[in-house]
Amino acid sequence: GAVVSQHPSWVICKSGTSVKIECRSLDFQATTMFWYRQFPKQSLMLMATSNEGSKATYEQGVEKDKFLINHASLTLSTLTVTSAHPEDSSFYICSASLGLAGGVTGELFFGEGSRLTVL
Amino acid sequence: QKEVEQNSGPLSVPEGAIASLNCTYSDRGSQSFFWYRQYSGKSPELIMFIYSNGDKEDGRFTAQLNKASQYVSLLIRDSQPSDSATYLCAVPGGYSSASKIIFGSGTRLSIRP
Repeated sequence: GAVVSQHPSWVICKSGTSVKIECRSLDFQATTMFWYRQFPKQSLMLMATSNEGSKATYEQGVEKDKFLINHASLTLSTLTVTSAHPEDSSFYICSASLGLAGGVTGELFFGEGSRLTVL
Repeated sequence: QKEVEQNSGPLSVPEGAIASLNCTYSDRGSQSFFWYRQYSGKSPELIMFIYSNGDKEDGRFTAQLNKASQYVSLLIRDSQPSDSATYLCAVPGGYSSASKIIFGSGTRLSIRP
């Protein structure tokens, strides 16, 4: 299957600082990547859809100025949490799909996740 | 807006028994269905997908699809403690790589020794 790699796997930062999380597709080109957030014991919440070469599409309630997404190449999307606060502490997961065409299953391939703790 | 519903659990099953996880979906036109397993603190991983009505077996796992009832289930035979995790049912929102995957809220499964 396709491989998605995410870095860093965990990060601790001070309140008010910014944190960048990288998501790479290692063996395929991903024109679209998805960013999820998950709080403890809660379900995955889609934050935004990252589109290569264009602006990300944010889900309702997600602040686009706080969660900056850049998808500058077909293999790399980044999520920057700006002016992080303790309530932003969460598990952030990226993913990509090959779609459902040409016999491809349409499954999502997930990165390992990045656990952010804001002090 | 497509929706996927799951019982959040927790579902407690004795070791060696069959665990049955259920999921319903709102869009009658949905074509494919996925079951992901997520261990605590880890990302989800795909364990089964199914397209056709009926059963699909893979080792101890069986996915069952009933499109008329808009119902998909996952059976885990000979449950092991290592099966304790949250199981997410998912449906693609479309057919391209840019289509969102719609997840259910997940069912927490606990296998008791």
